[in-house]
Amino acid sequence: QKEVEQNSGPLSVPEGAIASLNCTYSDRGSQSFFWYRQYSGKSPELIMSIYSNGDKEDGRFTAQLNKASQYVSLLIRDSQPSDSATYLCAGKAAGNKLTFGGGTRVLVKP
Amino acid sequence: KAGVTQTPRYLIKTRGQQVTLSCSPISGHRSVSWYQQTPGQGLQFLFEYFSETQRNKGNFPGRFSGRQFSNSRSEMNVSTLELGDSALYLCASSVGQVIGELFFGEGSRLTVL
Repeated sequence: QKEVEQNSGPLSVPEGAIASLNCTYSDRGSQSFFWYRQYSGKSPELIMSIYSNGDKEDGRFTAQLNKASQYVSLLIRDSQPSDSATYLCAGKAAGNKLTFGGGTRVLVKP
Repeated sequence: KAGVTQTPRYLIKTRGQQVTLSCSPISGHRSVSWYQQTPGQGLQFLFEYFSETQRNKGNFPGRFSGRQFSNSRSEMNVSTLELGDSALYLCASSVGQVIGELFFGEGSRLTVL
């Protein structure tokens, strides 16, 4: 079992809809979580970080963390074609090592 | 502010050779991490340095090594290259000791023939 798991997708959403991405993790010691976006042929870029249970909103993005259920999610509201990318979930456990999931490919169709 | 700079961007090597990749972090960033990205395995952690000390190492063979200099620049070396080492090698920097909010370079794409 991978430490951080994501559905590889593709997740196809119509323009203007909400894209919902999920990530589960196995290490209960994981304290911090991060969402990165990676466009094809480009390097990952950080879009959200979340450190405590609950929701965190930043513009059209909302990250949700539930440590009891060991999952993290990312909602993208009003999805735009420019949101089409692979979204990587990463978790940091004790020992300061960051582990990435395999990524979910999102396709936003006009 | 300049971003993370990786050199070379592309390189082709043959099996058995060795390669050195270089990374210059964002000015003021003292932590540098290296990742290998392949279509099959995704992003895999190689190692992380802070103030010239290796703080973490991933599950890669000893052929993979790295170091960090006093100016925070980092290099990684792969010896005795194998076909499976073909990948995008990404360097990322962060401000302090807490890893997570990373700024990635554009990567060095290594092809081993």
